[in-house]
Amino acid sequence: AQSVAQPEDQVNVAEGNPLTVKCTYSVSGNPYLFWYVQYPNRGLQFLLKYITGDNLVKGSYGFEAEFNKSQTSFHLKKPSALVSDSALYFCAVRGYSSASKIIFGSGTRLSIRP
Amino acid sequence: DTGVSQDPRHKITKRGQNVTFRCDPISEHNRLYWYRQTLGQGPEFLTYFQNEAQLEKSRLLSDRFSAERPKGSFSTLEIQRTEQGDSAMYLCASSLAEVSRLSYEQYFGPGTRLTVT
Repeated sequence: AQSVAQPEDQVNVAEGNPLTVKCTYSVSGNPYLFWYVQYPNRGLQFLLKYITGDNLVKGSYGFEAEFNKSQTSFHLKKPSALVSDSALYFCAVRGYSSASKIIFGSGTRLSIRP
Repeated sequence: DTGVSQDPRHKITKRGQNVTFRCDPISEHNRLYWYRQTLGQGPEFLTYFQNEAQLEKSRLLSDRFSAERPKGSFSTLEIQRTEQGDSAMYLCASSLAEVSRLSYEQYFGPGTRLTVT
């Protein structure tokens, strides 16, 4: 069965500092991995995905994520946080052999203080 | 606006009533998905369509729930005899069908927030 774990309910970072939001996954076969962001009263916005290729994936708004197969992790990173990055972040996974269903983690609330 | 749209954005209903939600996907997308999101949780998959065919349904989708996509464009999600446990945000997403080993990301609408009193 596919699953995603986001071990931190909340991450607090000072503006200008680097940020990391953690994600680990479990899936049979090669995973398709995604990060989405959700702002208050808005739908989920796609940030980036890993399908194959380079382990470091770059996405929207200066975010990037590193795929680590041995640690089954896909942590989201940004070198310098902005207050506007404050939102709810979801990691998601889809196994290659499964249908289109995406399994989401429970989310991590990112709070950037000025 | 060429994104995914959902209507209504908010719905308050009394227990036992039927409700219907509509989703209009991005026009060139042939896959459409429904998810449910409760407070403090990530979205949970309910069902998806490729064109007009409903290809997968979650066990979360009880027989009180029905979804249609009659012409392969917009979709409706109906909940009959609503219960308080149905209160949630219902999200619709769309994507292109996959080509070879590529996987297209899903684009989400703003959601319909259902409150059952």
